[in-house]
Amino acid sequence: GENVEQHPSTLSVQEGDSAVIKCTYSDSASNYFPWYKQELGKRPQLIIDIRSNVGEKKDQRIAVTLNKTAKHFSLHITETQPEDSAVYFCAASTGGFKTIFGAGTRLFVKA
Amino acid sequence: DVKVTQSSRYLVKRTGEKVFLECVQDMDHENMFWYRQDPGLGLRLIYFSYDVKMKEKGDIPEGYSVSREKKERFSLILESASTNQTSMYLCASSKGQRREKLFFGSGTQLSVL
Repeated sequence: GENVEQHPSTLSVQEGDSAVIKCTYSDSASNYFPWYKQELGKRPQLIIDIRSNVGEKKDQRIAVTLNKTAKHFSLHITETQPEDSAVYFCAASTGGFKTIFGAGTRLFVKA
Repeated sequence: DVKVTQSSRYLVKRTGEKVFLECVQDMDHENMFWYRQDPGLGLRLIYFSYDVKMKEKGDIPEGYSVSREKKERFSLILESASTNQTSMYLCASSKGQRREKLFFGSGTQLSVL
């Protein structure tokens, strides 16, 4: 079936450094790619998303890139801060009701 | 701001018990979802509903059922709880055609002993 692979599972960076999380999807019909952030004990929240007709999207310190040919998409966080520490989930959707999630990346930002 | 409320934050049940997990959203969203979150497996879709009294199976529906009698409320039912159903359960909702933009509840951590 369809799946989304996410790497790395754990990422530790120094405050101020950049962090990159990578995902690969299998269903070539996927056209919507959201990223969710889940802080400890809290609900997952959408932080950025991208559609398949766009190659890159930025929102302040976060950006997402999409390579449709390779079926890869990535989350980039620049100038990381301790409050960026959380679990990040990538996901892929074909526009229907089923969103396929990656396994998650636990990001630690060390002060 | 969309609010998705799950009735219990933590729940402890015994094997074989019937368990109800309740979810209410206050933004008049048409679509509601139940996910299960397990370490290393991400979020997996159990069931979803796109209208009152309508329900569709997700990727892991075995051992679960759902009920949607009112637009704002979506219930997950474990007919006979088993230890392998110990997990974090997340409810989500989304609006109409923007069905893929999910708003999540805070989750219910269910332990089945």
